[in-house]
Amino acid sequence: QVTLKESGPALVKPTQTLTLTCTFSGFSLSTSAMRVNWIRQPPGKALEWLARIDWDDDKFYSTSLRTRLTVSKDTSKNQVVLTMTNMDPVDTATYYCARTSPPGRYFDYWGQGALVTVSS
Amino acid sequence: DIQMTQSPSTLSASVGDRVTITCRASQSISTWLAWYQQKPGKAPKLLIYDASTLESGVPSRFSGSGSGTEFTLTISSLQPDDFATYYCQQFNSYKYTFGQGTKLEIK
Repeated sequence: QVTLKESGPALVKPTQTLTLTCTFSGFSLSTSAMRVNWIRQPPGKALEWLARIDWDDDKFYSTSLRTRLTVSKDTSKNQVVLTMTNMDPVDTATYYCARTSPPGRYFDYWGQGALVTVSS
Repeated sequence: DIQMTQSPSTLSASVGDRVTITCRASQSISTWLAWYQQKPGKAPKLLIYDASTLESGVPSRFSGSGSGTEFTLTISSLQPDDFATYYCQQFNSYKYTFGQGTKLEIK
């Protein structure tokens, strides 16, 4: 059974760095062609893909946010970490992690999401 | 990056109706398109991938079609559980983009 769960602060201040952790089970990121993504959704708005990390440690980022994002993995802990620098109130959103299985085009399993509010 | 445009933004329909949602890509994406259903406070759920392949466990009243730049999601006979927001999503050049969503409301 595949599960993913996001964890991290519910509230961050403007200019701070956000660190979110995705802890997953039911698959391994050391398995060929497995990938984990981060996606966010501001309240009442559409979904926005942020980043992806692959089994071979390849990383891909949203064009508009790439300078602020870093994604990493700890395969032994079944965790993927997203950091986003210089947080702003417009970054207030529910942040999801989601798996893509081969060939990596779609998100077949999602976490429940973590709401992050950016406010002073 | 490829832009995805869904229409309509909101759709009012009744139980038993047949409804269609359209998604247009700003450039050709072959059939690399998925549809998701999202209910309030929940994560999206994958319904259809590769434009027309039904994800396991998804009812057969859902169907998808299209290729290139124009795609449709059809629900053949709306059930009460289908009232939700639907998103299309494409993959191209290691980037993913979603449409802005279509909210399906009870008439």
